[in-house]
Amino acid sequence: DVKVTQSSRYLVKRTGEKVFLECVQDMDHENMFWYRQDPGLGLRLIYFSYDVKMKEKGDIPEGYSVSREKKERFSLILESASTNQTSMYLCASSPRDGSLAKNIQYFGAGTRLSVL
Amino acid sequence: GDSVTQMEGPVTLSEEAFLTINCTYTATGYPSLFWYVQYPGEGLQLLLKATKADDKGSNKGFEATYRKETTSFHLEKGSVQVSDSAVYFCALSDWGTNAGKSTFGDGTTLTVKP
Repeated sequence: DVKVTQSSRYLVKRTGEKVFLECVQDMDHENMFWYRQDPGLGLRLIYFSYDVKMKEKGDIPEGYSVSREKKERFSLILESASTNQTSMYLCASSPRDGSLAKNIQYFGAGTRLSVL
Repeated sequence: GDSVTQMEGPVTLSEEAFLTINCTYTATGYPSLFWYVQYPGEGLQLLLKATKADDKGSNKGFEATYRKETTSFHLEKGSVQVSDSAVYFCALSDWGTNAGKSTFGDGTTLTVKP
């Protein structure tokens, strides 16, 4: 089974702190994604990466950055956390193999971040 | 751009009731369609999928048929159980989309009461 592991289930941080959310997948997937999930807004894509050191902005990249130094790890960085970044953050991965399988995303359990 | 519209929730049903969650989409290409489910405290997981018109995806008693003429992919189950209580997301992914990106609906929360 594909496993996507997010380093923390719950995090509490202070306004202005630099925050790192880590995600690791064990299935050698090329593509990785970061979403935030808010009530009434569904899933919104923050950033995605289709290869090591490659990244592309999603729909709401402001206030976030990402790092992909190794294929299995994709980090989301909040440079200076703000209260409006309090949310559930979901990481996902998918393969890039030219078939339908590349479109299926596998998700981690999520990190619930509170910024006070 | 691509978009997915789901019926608004929350939906509350009694056990053994019939479930329909509506989903319609707009896409520039010929997308694959998915339903994902999120159980409490967990991430999303794939429930079922369909890749071309008139395909029927099915899993765990749930079904959805890819209707190109109505651009719809409604989720149905004949008899829901308490354990089906979850949030359901409809999603699409265009074959031409870079890096396997998907577009998700806002999610529909289902609560099944005994």
